[in-house]
Amino acid sequence: DTAVSQTPKYLVTQMGNDKSIKCEQNLGHDTMYWYKQDSKKFLKIMFSYNNKELIINETVPNRFSPKSPDKAHLNLHINSLELGDSAVYFCASSVRTSGDYNEQFFGPGTRLTVL
Amino acid sequence: GQNIDQPTEMTATEGAIVQINCTYQTSGFNGLFWYQQHAGEAPTFLSYNVLDGLEEKGRFSSFLSRSKGYSYLLLKELQMKDSASYLCAVVDSNYQLIWGAGTKLIIKP
Repeated sequence: DTAVSQTPKYLVTQMGNDKSIKCEQNLGHDTMYWYKQDSKKFLKIMFSYNNKELIINETVPNRFSPKSPDKAHLNLHINSLELGDSAVYFCASSVRTSGDYNEQFFGPGTRLTVL
Repeated sequence: GQNIDQPTEMTATEGAIVQINCTYQTSGFNGLFWYQQHAGEAPTFLSYNVLDGLEEKGRFSSFLSRSKGYSYLLLKELQMKDSASYLCAVVDSNYQLIWGAGTKLIIKP
């Protein structure tokens, strides 16, 4: 009955590889997000996506791309991994309704280590 | 630009009261969230304020002053399990959530 789930929980890989992190939510939410949290614990939005609109944080390298097969899934694909990509990546989801608050529910996080 | 400021770290004693402040400058305002994040875990929702005043929820209360661009989270009867980071986040005019860097709260016996 997990609300937002991510796989894998831990990912260790070599520089230059391509990897994907999967995210699924069973809350019926229409908007999903990817965040990066680095060693300084600052939570940085990377993408927000619903079935109508993809909003990309302009500081995110184009090596990162979100892929959404359906409303319940938003996967994160990373090409040509670099050492600086090592961080914890959180998926989140919310209902995005104008005039109503959009509490976000977070997945457990994926700790990515690039060697 | 958009900016959220909170203290980096605070220390308090078990059983005491602590107030964590957050000031913000954003393009528009559609509410302010407080989240709690234990080390190695995901953030979890604590409170939401959109109108001025104090919202109380058990041992935790959150206050908002929109005219001052200011909020605080008040934690009473501190317990060791309250040791965590507390994140302030503001919903801007585009309904995007702007996050602060978080305040690490250390509780001592």
